[in-house]
Order: sequence, then C-alpha cells, then structure tokens
Amino acid sequence: DTAVSQTPKYLVTQMGNDKSIKCEQNLGHDTMYWYKQDSKKFLKIMFSYNNKELIINETVPNRFSPKSPDKAHLNLHINSLELGDSAVYFCASSQEGLNTQYFGPGTRLTVL
Amino acid sequence: AQSVTQPDIHITVSEGASLELRCNYSYGATPYLFWYVQSPGQGLQLLLKYFSGDTLVQGIKGFEAEFKRSQSSFNLRKPSVHWSDAAEYFCAVGLTGGGNKLTFGTGTQLKVEL
Repeated sequence: DTAVSQTPKYLVTQMGNDKSIKCEQNLGHDTMYWYKQDSKKFLKIMFSYNNKELIINETVPNRFSPKSPDKAHLNLHINSLELGDSAVYFCASSQEGLNTQYFGPGTRLTVL
Repeated sequence: AQSVTQPDIHITVSEGASLELRCNYSYGATPYLFWYVQSPGQGLQLLLKYFSGDTLVQGIKGFEAEFKRSQSSFNLRKPSVHWSDAAEYFCAVGLTGGGNKLTFGTGTQLKVEL
C-alpha cells in the first residue's frame, strides 16, 4: 500500500495553461505539505496544511493555490503556468507537530 | 532563520569503503535533524532522525549519524558502502513553532565505484 501518492507522475504542458497535481496519504496524518525541487535539486517548502487549515504559506506566487478537501488529500492547482514553474513537486505528510515527514514519489512538471 | 549547509556537492567512494557526508546547521535552539535519501527518479526516504537523547542515532540501511552540538553538525556515516547506496542525500533541520517546516541542505550526490 502506497503511503503518500501523487498523480500524475509526469506532467508536460504549455505556458499559460492551468494544471492540478493531486496528493493522497493513507497514514492517518494530520498535516500535509507541498515542496518544490528545482533543477539543482534544491528542496523548498511551499505550503503546509493541518486538518484542512493552511499553516505555512511561503513566498509563493498566488498562481499556486493549494486545496485540502479533507485530511487525507492536498491538491495543488497552478494557474497561468510559466517556464520557471518547471520542477519536481513533492507532497509529504506527518503527524501534527514536528515529526517525521513522509514524502510522495514526486510529480515532474515540464512547462514548454 | 535556520539554515543547513552540505559542503560537498559530489562525493565518489569505492564500494566497500567507508563514507561520511557532512551537514552543518544554523539554528538558535536545539534542532530536530533528519537525513533523507533520494534515488534517481524517486521520492525522499527517511534514513534517520535526531530529536533528543543519544547523540549517535542509527538508521536504516546501515547508516548512522552523530549530533555534535559544539560543532553544529550532524554528519552521516556508513562503514561500508554498497553500490546501491548511490543516490542524493539531503540533510534537513526542523523548525518548531510556526508550522512543521523542514529546511533542507542543497544535497550531496554520492557515486559508488565498483
């Protein structure tokens, strides 16, 4: 059973399009996150949600909008995609508080 | 703000040799420290973590790390490297309060020569 899953694994799209990435965790965790890994492998947090409530919102363009329909899901919607949005996006989850974060397999987004 | 430095971008070792990957952090309080491994095209897998207590922590796949407060370091070690250990290794520090936020180092890419 996959603990943290993401769909799709690969996403290729044109500039200006709108796309979504979905994340689901079956670990019963309260907190979920989105991280962005750039071409140099640098990982940076974008958002975190705890019990469907936004907790962390780093300096991310407002074209990025996370949505958490329930504790087990955290989706990332991106409007008006730009070339610089090309990256690998990782979803993660953890118990509430500072605990181990478990990562999904990543979604490689390529904007042409 | 906390920060994590991994001074070695690339490291190459021979299979069977010992390994040490360096990690230094900057954080005002006692940090929560993690090492993750990322194999090509894969997500991140937790190797080990330090929250408190014994400063030498054991992880999966034969890895260990030692927390040294005086040196602000959390170096990862393995006595004998296997070819399957070739991957990218990330050190991370956790920030208490303000959300469960991990700050990652820039990673060290490990190559293993057969």
